Amino acid sequence: DTGVSQDPRHKITKRGQNVTFRCDPISEHNRLYWYRQTLGQGPEFLTYFQNEAQLEKSRLLSDRFSAERPKGSFSTLEIQRTEQGDSAMYLCASSLDTGAGYTFGSGTRLTVV
Amino acid sequence: GENVEQHPSTLSVQEGDSAVIKCTYSDSASNYFPWYKQELGKRPQLIIDIRSNVGEKKDQRIAVTLNKTAKHFSLHITETQPEDSAVYFCAARDFGNEKLTFGTGTRLTIIP
Repeated sequence: DTGVSQDPRHKITKRGQNVTFRCDPISEHNRLYWYRQTLGQGPEFLTYFQNEAQLEKSRLLSDRFSAERPKGSFSTLEIQRTEQGDSAMYLCASSLDTGAGYTFGSGTRLTVV
Repeated sequence: GENVEQHPSTLSVQEGDSAVIKCTYSDSASNYFPWYKQELGKRPQLIIDIRSNVGEKKDQRIAVTLNKTAKHFSLHITETQPEDSAVYFCAARDFGNEKLTFGTGTRLTIIP
């Protein structure tokens, strides 16, 4: 296991299209997080899972955003009807328990044109 | 909710000198404070963290100090090297809350 993997690394999409990103956490980590990072800013929390349960969602996560972690392993983040304001780096992270630091993936850079 | 402020936004130091980055947080219930280093185009990497029951933690050239009364914590890098050049983010997490709230980052440049 080499860490948190995210796919794709880059995605360019036209406004109005749907996109889906995938995150594979470190295998023994039961917690998985999605963050969004725009240029010059720190990561902003979107949502997190403990095993397959989605336990918290940010107000940033509008109804166009949905995340799943169906078997408590990999997770997907879908954005429907993309807007230019959705352009950002989407970071996934995982951790073993609530007291541990996160390990981030390399992110998916989304550009909406 | 938690609010984390980070200063300065940019910092340039001569190689070999020390660098200090400061963060303040708003929620007195926060009990975990990590620091991340992010190089251009790469993922944030955890470099050091501190919990609220500890006032200082050191790992080689990196140290973090925490003042719970004043609600601020700082990153100290000594004997800086060119590879220390990156953006550094502080963060805070409430007890019982899973999310980290990040500062806006400090771009550190080490001048050879």
